[in-house]
Amino acid sequence: GESVGLHLPTLSVQEGDNSIINCAYSNSASDYFIWYKQESGKGPQFIIDIRSNMDKRQGQRVTVLLNKTVKHLSLQIAATQPGDSAVYFCAENTGTASKLTFGTGTRLQVTL
Amino acid sequence: GAGVSQTPSNKVTEKGKYVELRCDPISGHTALYWYRQSLGQGPEFLIYFQGTGAADDSGLPNDRFFAVRPEGSVSTLKIQRTERGDSAVYLCASSLLGGQEAFFGQGTRLTVV
Repeated sequence: GESVGLHLPTLSVQEGDNSIINCAYSNSASDYFIWYKQESGKGPQFIIDIRSNMDKRQGQRVTVLLNKTVKHLSLQIAATQPGDSAVYFCAENTGTASKLTFGTGTRLQVTL
Repeated sequence: GAGVSQTPSNKVTEKGKYVELRCDPISGHTALYWYRQSLGQGPEFLIYFQGTGAADDSGLPNDRFFAVRPEGSVSTLKIQRTERGDSAVYLCASSLLGGQEAFFGQGTRLTVV
């Protein structure tokens, strides 16, 4: 199948370690942010979202941090597993049109 | 269905031909989006439907691209006079309402030769 993100930045982590994936967004008016996971040959899969009135949100093994001052978003994955290997995209909701603007993505490789 | 379904999963066509890509959203989702993803890139917005109407088509690259959603459910993305640069994965997503969590299909990989 098609390989997503052949030339993307890559983060390699050992199984069991924590992963931190970073994203800089451009539009200070964006008020909704989402992290997606995309495996090769598949569509993006929702992981976690956060609205601009929050700076932190936790899910199962994942935490999203939002720093609006520097327009920075991060995804933390605890106890990274081989199944977490994929390309991760941050996306921002721009204005009222409900469309998402995606970042360039980061490939996460989990080594055993 | 349980998720967003896109057909075909792969489409190879000759330059200059017309193609149609189909999206079946999650039942009950009023918002439907089309995105295009080139190799090594994030998805790029094409068009957004709220019900039957195109609420935002600002991402369509030119007038060769057109999309419809006549009954507010299934949508078809139509590309006329295909060019090699149209080769990409075309992703469809739906959400219960606009601006909420969007669920993506697996995409249609279009190759123009």
